[in-house]
Amino acid sequence: EVQLVESGGGLVQPGGSLRLSCAASGFMFRSYWMTWVRQVPGKGLQWVATIKQDGSEEFYVDSVKGRFTISRDNAKNSLYLQMRSLGAEDAAVYYCARYTGGAVVPTDFLGDAFDIWGQGTMVTVSS
Amino acid sequence: SYELTQPPSVSVSPGQTAKITCSGDALPKQFAYWYHQKPGQAPVLVIYKDSERPSGIPERFSGSGSGTTVTLTISGVQAEDEADYYCQSADSSGTYWAFGGGTRLTVL
Repeated sequence: EVQLVESGGGLVQPGGSLRLSCAASGFMFRSYWMTWVRQVPGKGLQWVATIKQDGSEEFYVDSVKGRFTISRDNAKNSLYLQMRSLGAEDAAVYYCARYTGGAVVPTDFLGDAFDIWGQGTMVTVSS
Repeated sequence: SYELTQPPSVSVSPGQTAKITCSGDALPKQFAYWYHQKPGQAPVLVIYKDSERPSGIPERFSGSGSGTTVTLTISGVQAEDEADYYCQSADSSGTYWAFGGGTRLTVL
Protein backbone atom coordinates (compact mmCIF):
# COMPACT_ATOMS: atom_id res chain seq x y z
CA GLU A 1 0.00 0.00 0.00
CA VAL A 2 1.28 3.45 -0.93
CA GLN A 3 1.53 5.42 2.29
CA LEU A 4 2.97 8.58 3.80
CA VAL A 5 3.12 8.98 7.58
CA GLU A 6 4.12 12.29 9.15
CA SER A 7 5.50 12.73 12.64
CA GLY A 8 7.31 15.28 14.76
CA GLY A 9 4.58 17.83 15.29
CA GLY A 10 3.90 19.32 18.69
CA LEU A 11 3.99 22.43 20.81
CA VAL A 12 6.87 24.84 20.31
CA GLN A 13 7.52 28.30 21.70
CA PRO A 14 7.63 31.33 19.44
CA GLY A 15 11.08 31.61 17.95
CA GLY A 16 11.72 27.92 18.45
CA SER A 17 12.54 25.11 16.06
CA LEU A 18 10.96 21.82 15.11
CA ARG A 19 11.78 19.03 12.69
CA LEU A 20 9.01 17.15 10.93
CA SER A 21 9.46 13.74 9.35
CA CYS A 22 7.51 11.84 6.73
CA ALA A 23 8.00 8.10 6.25
CA ALA A 24 7.15 6.79 2.80
CA SER A 25 6.29 3.21 1.89
CA GLY A 26 4.79 1.24 -0.98
CA PHE A 27 6.45 3.15 -3.84
CA MET A 28 9.87 4.08 -5.22
CA PHE A 29 10.45 7.07 -2.96
CA ARG A 30 13.82 7.96 -4.50
CA SER A 31 12.17 8.56 -7.88
CA TYR A 32 9.68 11.20 -6.80
CA TRP A 33 9.83 14.88 -5.98
CA MET A 34 8.21 15.39 -2.57
CA THR A 35 6.33 18.30 -1.01
CA TRP A 36 5.14 19.76 2.25
CA VAL A 37 1.75 21.48 2.38
CA ARG A 38 0.26 23.09 5.47
CA GLN A 39 -3.22 24.03 6.60
CA VAL A 40 -4.26 26.24 9.46
CA PRO A 41 -7.28 24.49 11.05
CA GLY A 42 -10.44 25.80 9.41
CA LYS A 43 -8.46 27.52 6.65
CA GLY A 44 -7.12 26.64 3.22
CA LEU A 45 -4.14 24.68 1.95
CA GLN A 46 -0.77 26.36 1.47
CA TRP A 47 2.12 24.90 -0.47
CA VAL A 48 5.28 25.15 1.69
CA ALA A 49 8.23 23.43 0.00
CA THR A 50 9.19 20.88 -2.65
CA ILE A 51 12.39 18.91 -3.17
CA LYS A 52 13.67 17.10 -6.23
CA GLN A 53 14.06 13.34 -6.16
CA ASP A 54 17.82 13.48 -5.58
CA GLY A 55 17.70 16.43 -3.20
CA SER A 56 19.62 18.60 -5.66
CA GLU A 57 17.14 21.46 -5.62
CA GLU A 58 14.56 22.85 -3.23
CA PHE A 59 11.69 25.27 -3.71
CA TYR A 60 9.95 27.31 -1.01
CA VAL A 61 6.97 29.58 -0.57
CA ASP A 62 8.17 33.13 0.08
CA SER A 63 6.97 33.21 3.70
CA VAL A 64 9.27 30.39 4.84
CA LYS A 65 12.40 31.06 2.78
CA GLY A 66 15.44 31.29 5.02
CA ARG A 67 13.59 29.70 7.97
CA PHE A 68 12.52 26.27 6.72
CA THR A 69 14.67 23.60 5.08
CA ILE A 70 13.25 20.62 3.22
CA SER A 71 15.48 17.57 2.92
CA ARG A 72 15.29 13.85 2.30
CA ASP A 73 17.10 10.61 2.96
CA ASN A 74 16.37 8.24 0.11
CA ALA A 75 18.09 5.36 1.88
CA LYS A 76 15.54 5.72 4.68
CA ASN A 77 12.56 6.58 2.45
CA SER A 78 12.12 9.70 4.52
CA LEU A 79 11.29 13.36 3.95
CA TYR A 80 12.02 16.10 6.48
CA LEU A 81 11.10 19.70 7.18
CA GLN A 82 13.38 21.63 9.52
CA MET A 83 11.53 24.68 10.80
CA ARG A 84 13.26 27.57 12.59
CA SER A 85 12.20 30.95 14.00
CA LEU A 86 8.66 29.71 14.27
CA GLY A 87 5.85 32.19 14.70
CA ALA A 88 2.13 32.02 15.28
CA GLU A 89 1.61 32.15 11.53
CA ASP A 90 3.37 28.78 11.19
CA ALA A 91 0.90 26.94 13.41
CA ALA A 92 -0.88 24.46 11.17
CA VAL A 93 -1.35 20.85 10.19
CA TYR A 94 1.60 19.90 8.00
CA TYR A 95 1.04 17.33 5.27
CA CYS A 96 3.67 15.62 3.19
CA ALA A 97 2.60 14.77 -0.32
CA ARG A 98 4.00 12.97 -3.33
CA TYR A 99 4.45 15.14 -6.41
CA THR A 100 4.00 13.47 -9.77
CA GLY A 101 5.81 16.07 -11.88
CA GLY A 102 9.47 16.75 -12.50
CA ALA A 103 10.64 13.18 -13.04
CA VAL A 104 9.94 10.09 -15.09
CA VAL A 105 7.80 7.99 -12.76
CA PRO A 106 4.94 5.52 -13.22
CA THR A 107 2.43 8.21 -12.26
CA ASP A 108 3.79 11.01 -14.44
CA PHE A 109 0.66 10.78 -16.57
CA LEU A 110 -0.94 12.75 -13.72
CA GLY A 111 1.17 15.77 -14.61
CA ASP A 112 2.08 18.09 -11.76
CA ALA A 113 -0.30 16.77 -9.12
CA PHE A 114 0.06 16.01 -5.45
CA ASP A 115 -1.40 12.54 -5.68
CA ILE A 116 -0.66 10.88 -2.34
CA TRP A 117 -1.00 12.66 1.02
CA GLY A 118 -0.20 11.71 4.58
CA GLN A 119 -2.64 12.23 7.43
CA GLY A 120 -0.81 15.33 8.67
CA THR A 121 0.98 16.36 11.85
CA MET A 122 -0.07 19.35 13.94
CA VAL A 123 2.33 22.13 14.85
CA THR A 124 1.28 24.52 17.61
CA VAL A 125 3.27 27.67 18.30
CA SER A 126 2.56 29.13 21.72
CA SER A 127 4.30 30.32 24.87
CA SER B 1 4.17 34.77 -5.05
CA TYR B 2 1.29 33.39 -7.08
CA GLU B 3 -2.42 33.45 -6.32
CA LEU B 4 -5.39 31.39 -7.40
CA THR B 5 -8.86 32.74 -6.69
CA GLN B 6 -11.93 30.64 -5.88
CA PRO B 7 -15.39 31.59 -4.59
CA PRO B 8 -15.66 30.85 -0.85
CA SER B 9 -18.86 28.88 -1.14
CA VAL B 10 -21.25 27.19 -3.56
CA SER B 11 -24.59 25.68 -2.62
CA VAL B 12 -26.70 23.30 -4.67
CA SER B 13 -29.55 20.89 -4.14
CA PRO B 14 -29.04 17.15 -4.62
CA GLY B 15 -29.15 16.17 -8.28
CA GLN B 16 -28.25 19.65 -9.50
CA THR B 17 -24.98 20.73 -11.09
CA ALA B 18 -22.30 22.53 -9.12
CA LYS B 19 -19.66 24.65 -10.80
CA ILE B 20 -16.59 25.92 -8.96
CA THR B 21 -14.26 28.34 -10.68
CA CYS B 22 -10.59 29.09 -10.17
CA SER B 23 -8.74 32.03 -11.67
CA GLY B 24 -5.02 32.58 -12.05
CA ASP B 25 -2.74 34.47 -14.41
CA ALA B 26 -0.65 31.44 -15.36
CA LEU B 27 -3.54 29.07 -16.02
CA PRO B 28 -3.26 29.49 -19.79
CA LYS B 29 0.25 28.00 -19.49
CA GLN B 30 -0.04 25.63 -16.53
CA PHE B 31 -2.46 22.80 -15.90
CA ALA B 32 -4.86 22.96 -12.99
CA TYR B 33 -5.62 20.25 -10.47
CA TRP B 34 -8.59 19.85 -8.15
CA TYR B 35 -8.80 18.25 -4.72
CA HIS B 36 -11.64 17.67 -2.34
CA GLN B 37 -11.22 17.54 1.40
CA LYS B 38 -13.69 16.36 3.99
CA PRO B 39 -13.40 17.33 7.67
CA GLY B 40 -10.51 15.66 9.44
CA GLN B 41 -9.21 14.07 6.25
CA ALA B 42 -6.35 14.72 3.87
CA PRO B 43 -7.08 16.19 0.44
CA VAL B 44 -7.90 13.80 -2.42
CA LEU B 45 -7.09 14.47 -6.08
CA VAL B 46 -10.28 14.51 -8.19
CA ILE B 47 -9.14 16.17 -11.43
CA TYR B 48 -5.69 16.40 -13.02
CA LYS B 49 -4.41 18.27 -16.07
CA ASP B 50 -7.50 20.50 -16.16
CA SER B 51 -9.97 17.82 -17.17
CA GLU B 52 -8.72 14.29 -16.52
CA ARG B 53 -10.21 12.10 -13.83
CA PRO B 54 -8.06 9.73 -11.72
CA SER B 55 -9.20 6.17 -11.40
CA GLY B 56 -11.82 5.74 -8.74
CA ILE B 57 -13.26 9.24 -9.09
CA PRO B 58 -16.92 9.21 -10.20
CA GLU B 59 -17.79 10.34 -13.73
CA ARG B 60 -19.93 13.16 -12.36
CA PHE B 61 -16.69 15.06 -11.68
CA SER B 62 -15.33 16.94 -14.69
CA GLY B 63 -13.04 19.86 -15.35
CA SER B 64 -12.53 22.44 -18.04
CA GLY B 65 -10.47 25.51 -18.69
CA SER B 66 -10.62 28.70 -20.71
CA GLY B 67 -7.96 31.36 -20.54
CA THR B 68 -7.20 32.37 -16.98
CA THR B 69 -10.12 30.42 -15.48
CA VAL B 70 -10.66 26.73 -14.88
CA THR B 71 -13.89 25.15 -13.71
CA LEU B 72 -14.72 22.04 -11.71
CA THR B 73 -18.18 20.72 -12.53
CA ILE B 74 -20.02 18.17 -10.44
CA SER B 75 -23.08 16.87 -12.25
CA GLY B 76 -25.88 15.28 -10.29
CA VAL B 77 -24.47 16.35 -6.95
CA GLN B 78 -24.86 13.86 -4.13
CA ALA B 79 -24.83 14.48 -0.41
CA GLU B 80 -21.45 12.77 -0.15
CA ASP B 81 -19.94 15.47 -2.40
CA GLU B 82 -20.26 18.04 0.37
CA ALA B 83 -16.67 19.05 1.06
CA ASP B 84 -14.08 21.76 0.56
CA TYR B 85 -12.67 21.92 -2.96
CA TYR B 86 -9.26 23.36 -3.83
CA CYS B 87 -7.69 24.15 -7.15
CA GLN B 88 -3.90 23.95 -7.47
CA SER B 89 -1.45 25.01 -10.10
CA ALA B 90 1.95 26.64 -10.55
CA ASP B 91 3.21 29.98 -11.74
CA SER B 92 4.80 30.39 -15.16
CA SER B 93 8.14 29.08 -13.87
CA GLY B 94 6.49 25.81 -12.95
CA THR B 95 8.32 25.65 -9.60
CA TYR B 96 6.24 27.92 -7.41
CA TRP B 97 3.01 26.18 -6.57
CA ALA B 98 -0.21 27.53 -5.13
CA PHE B 99 -3.62 26.45 -4.00
CA GLY B 100 -6.79 28.42 -4.35
CA GLY B 101 -8.42 29.59 -1.14
CA GLY B 102 -10.91 26.75 -1.27
CA THR B 103 -14.63 26.53 -1.97
CA ARG B 104 -17.04 24.95 0.48
CA LEU B 105 -19.65 22.98 -1.42
CA THR B 106 -22.88 22.71 0.53
CA VAL B 107 -25.53 20.22 -0.57
CA LEU B 108 -28.84 21.66 0.54
